[in-house]
Amino acid sequence: DAGVIQSPRHEVTEMGQEVTLRCKPISGHDYLFWYRQTMMRGLELLIYFNNNVPIDDSGMPEDRFSAKMPNASFSTLKIQPSEPRDSAVYFCASSLGNIQYFGAGTRLSVL
Amino acid sequence: AQSVSQHNHHVILSEAASLELGCNYSYGGTVNLFWYVQYPGQHLQLLLKYFSGDPLVKGIKGFEAEFIKSKFSFNLRKPSVQWSDTAEYFCAVNAARYSTLTFGKGTMLLVSP
Repeated sequence: DAGVIQSPRHEVTEMGQEVTLRCKPISGHDYLFWYRQTMMRGLELLIYFNNNVPIDDSGMPEDRFSAKMPNASFSTLKIQPSEPRDSAVYFCASSLGNIQYFGAGTRLSVL
Repeated sequence: AQSVSQHNHHVILSEAASLELGCNYSYGGTVNLFWYVQYPGQHLQLLLKYFSGDPLVKGIKGFEAEFIKSKFSFNLRKPSVQWSDTAEYFCAVNAARYSTLTFGKGTMLLVSP
């Protein structure tokens, strides 16, 4: 298996623009997680899905953030409108059981 | 709620020195414990895990960790570090009945050659 695949790897955008991050989990995994990593706050769980259904989105910072999982092999995290403080590395992870496998991350820079 | 505390934010060692990174968690029930490693510019990778059984677990690259239930600790050790061990190390806990991981803030290890 190719592992968890995220795209794009890097995204540079201007404040106010919409940003969409994509994730393909490992085939057969039933959980999908979105994390944000910053120097100040470390690794934060934003939202997670089980069998494509959002279970807990309490970590989503604001209404500007939304996530979807239309099928078992694809998820998106959208920020609209983006702000400079959203600059971070966003990781997607998937699991079957208790071990989470992480993607390479998307480094987002909002200017 | 679960929480994880990593005692050191930064550790600097010379090659061949011994390593011990502290991790304490707070949760009264059954837990699964993990150490993840993040090499510079890369994603998190599982280093080792503890679910049950022998409290001394061995992971990849010569790392090991010991679960001490009475101390709510899961410290990571390596007898002799290498320059290539330079990375950030994250301790994480998962209460056995939950699906999410709670991560510590991470410890940045710098090994000088």
